[in-house]
Amino acid sequence: GAVVSQHPSWVICKSGTSVKIECRSLDFQATTMFWYRQFPKQSLMLMATSNEGSKATYEQGVEKDKFLINHASLTLSTLTVTSAHPEDSSFYICSARRLAGGGETQYFGPGTRLLVL
Amino acid sequence: AQRVTQPEKLLSVFKGAPVELKCNYSYSGSPELFWYVQYSRQRLQLLLRHISRESIKGFTADLNKGETSFHLKKPFAQEEDSAMYYCALSPGAGSYQLTFGKGTKLSVIP
Repeated sequence: GAVVSQHPSWVICKSGTSVKIECRSLDFQATTMFWYRQFPKQSLMLMATSNEGSKATYEQGVEKDKFLINHASLTLSTLTVTSAHPEDSSFYICSARRLAGGGETQYFGPGTRLLVL
Repeated sequence: AQRVTQPEKLLSVFKGAPVELKCNYSYSGSPELFWYVQYSRQRLQLLLRHISRESIKGFTADLNKGETSFHLKKPFAQEEDSAMYYCALSPGAGSYQLTFGKGTKLSVIP
């Protein structure tokens, strides 16, 4: 089956530092990946759409200079939280879009929990 | 803008009882609707999609365009169905972005 991995699974960092989160599609190529943010007991909120070889498309209210996205290959997208602050603490989830017989499906990674002290 | 509403945060049913998880949406076009499930300590995974018109793990969902609903149903709940269920909408027509509802936690009581 289609598997999406994220690394790291959790990270603790000091305020002001930058954190990079990787999202990989392990057994398929994904021209499009998505980054979500989930606060405790809340739903997933789409942050941005990551397209291989082009700039990411950010949702309204998401600072592109704060959340840098790079989709350098068909199997890897990275999200860098720059100059992280405690309010950036959250659960970040990526998904990768795959076309299959039944149509287009998004496969989700396990998520990365970020805690900024 | 699209919106997905799941009115119930928590739904508790007894094992063997029917279950219905409600989902309503607002979107002016012809969207694609999905149900995703997240079992304890596991990642989000697709349960079913309206265009497939299939039954997965005994669950079905029918898209009602008149009522703008996509309720998830199962005639006999099992303990292993206990999980968080999210209804999601994609605008379709080449857009693959998902808008999620807030989720309903289903608890099946043995």
